[in-house]
Amino acid sequence: GAVVSQHPSRVICKSGTSVKIECRSLDFQATTMFWYRQFPKKSLMLMATSNEGSKATYEQGVEKDKFLINHASLTLSTLTVTSAHPEDSSFYICSARYLNQETQYFGPGTRLLVL
Amino acid sequence: GESVGLHLPTLSVQEGDNSIINCAYSNSASDYFIWYKQESGKGPQFIIDIRSNMDKRQGQRVTVLLNKTVKHLSLQIAATQPGDSAVYFCAENIMTGNQFYFGTGTSLTVIP
Repeated sequence: GAVVSQHPSRVICKSGTSVKIECRSLDFQATTMFWYRQFPKKSLMLMATSNEGSKATYEQGVEKDKFLINHASLTLSTLTVTSAHPEDSSFYICSARYLNQETQYFGPGTRLLVL
Repeated sequence: GESVGLHLPTLSVQEGDNSIINCAYSNSASDYFIWYKQESGKGPQFIIDIRSNMDKRQGQRVTVLLNKTVKHLSLQIAATQPGDSAVYFCAENIMTGNQFYFGTGTSLTVIP
C-alpha cells in the first residue's frame, strides 16, 4: 500500500513554456501533499504544502505565481512550472500523507530539463 | 529553520558487514523521525520510523536508535548488500506540524 505516482517521469521543454507535473496517490486518500525540489547530490527542499481543497502554503523564497499548485481531489495534486527557465531544471518530487499520519510517502520524481 | 545534519557525507562498507549511518538533529521538540533511502534518479523510499517515546526500533535488517539526550539518530543496516547502495536521509518532524526537515544525506557504497 501507500503508493504514490508521478507523471511524467522526465520532461524536456523549451524556455518560456509551462510544464505540468501530476502527483497521484494510488491506494489511499492523500489529505496533504507536498512538493519538493532536489538538486544533484543535495537534499530535498520543501517547496509547498497543499491540503485538498485549499490553497497551497509556499515556503519562503518559492514563487507561488511561478510554481502553481492545485490539489483538487484527495488523490491528485499538480505542480505547474510556468514560463520555465533553464534554472528551473531540477528533480521534482511529491509526497502524500493521509489525514494526521506523520509518514509521507514519496513519488518516484520528475526530472525537468528546460532548454 | 530546523537543522538536521549527517556526520558523514559518504560511507563505504564491504558486502556482508554492518553499516551505521548517523544523523544529528537540533530541535528538541522533534518527536517523530524517519529514515529514507533514495536510489539514483528515484524518489525517497521509507525505511523505518521511530517516535520520541522510543529509543530503538527494529525492522528487517535495519535498526534505528534514538538518543534524545544528545539529539542523535542512527540507522544500522545488518549484513549490508550491494542493493543497499544509495543515499540515506534522516528526517525529523514535530507531530503538530506539517513539515519534515531533511538532512543532507549520506551516500552509502557497498563494495562487493
